[in-house]
Amino acid sequence: EVQLVESGGGLVQPGRSLRLSCAASGFTFDDYAMHWVRQAPGKGLEWVSGISWNSGSIGYADSVKGRFTISRDNAKNSLYLQMNSLRAEDTALYYCAKAAELGYSNYPDYWGQGTLVTVSS
Amino acid sequence: SYVLTQPPSVSVAPGQTARITCGGNNIGSKSVHWYQQKPGQAPVLVVYDDSDRPSGIPERFSGSNSGNTATLTISRVEAGDEADYYCQVWDSSSDHQVFGGGTKLTVL
Repeated sequence: EVQLVESGGGLVQPGRSLRLSCAASGFTFDDYAMHWVRQAPGKGLEWVSGISWNSGSIGYADSVKGRFTISRDNAKNSLYLQMNSLRAEDTALYYCAKAAELGYSNYPDYWGQGTLVTVSS
Repeated sequence: SYVLTQPPSVSVAPGQTARITCGGNNIGSKSVHWYQQKPGQAPVLVVYDDSDRPSGIPERFSGSNSGNTATLTISRVEAGDEADYYCQVWDSSSDHQVFGGGTKLTVL
């Protein structure tokens, strides 16, 4: 059974940083790309970033490019999102999602339960 | 960037058929995926590659895609189908995943 467990969320002041983690199990982690997708309170889904199976291909939404960095450690079956220069509009539930295949052009097929990030002074 | 347009809400009586549309420029040339999200829960994939169903998803869920519109069809709607539904595609022009704004399905 695929399991994705996010952690690292919390309350942070504008301009500060936060690092999210996602622990994966139940599948061969380095056979699949991974995504981060967020959902602001009461709003829809927004893709944040994706990373290919070997970290060779990475993409970001325009809204986070230059501020967020996605990475993965295949030896630890873990996905990360380093978030810098946080803004109030980054407040959201952040989901880790497994992609259907190797590249991040592939759709998310399994999702974690999310970790909440609140940016406020 | 590529835009997907969904109606904010769709209402249907139990036992009837619900159709949720997803509009996009020449979306028929892309693979469309659909997610169901119930309140307080993570999204669940219900249709992928326009019309395929993951294991465990009832046959009542089906999809189609042509021209500028993709459609998620839910037959014999049940109270438990009440949820938000999102369409999603890969935009190769921007190398971004794109989600529609979501449609709230209400079962009357």
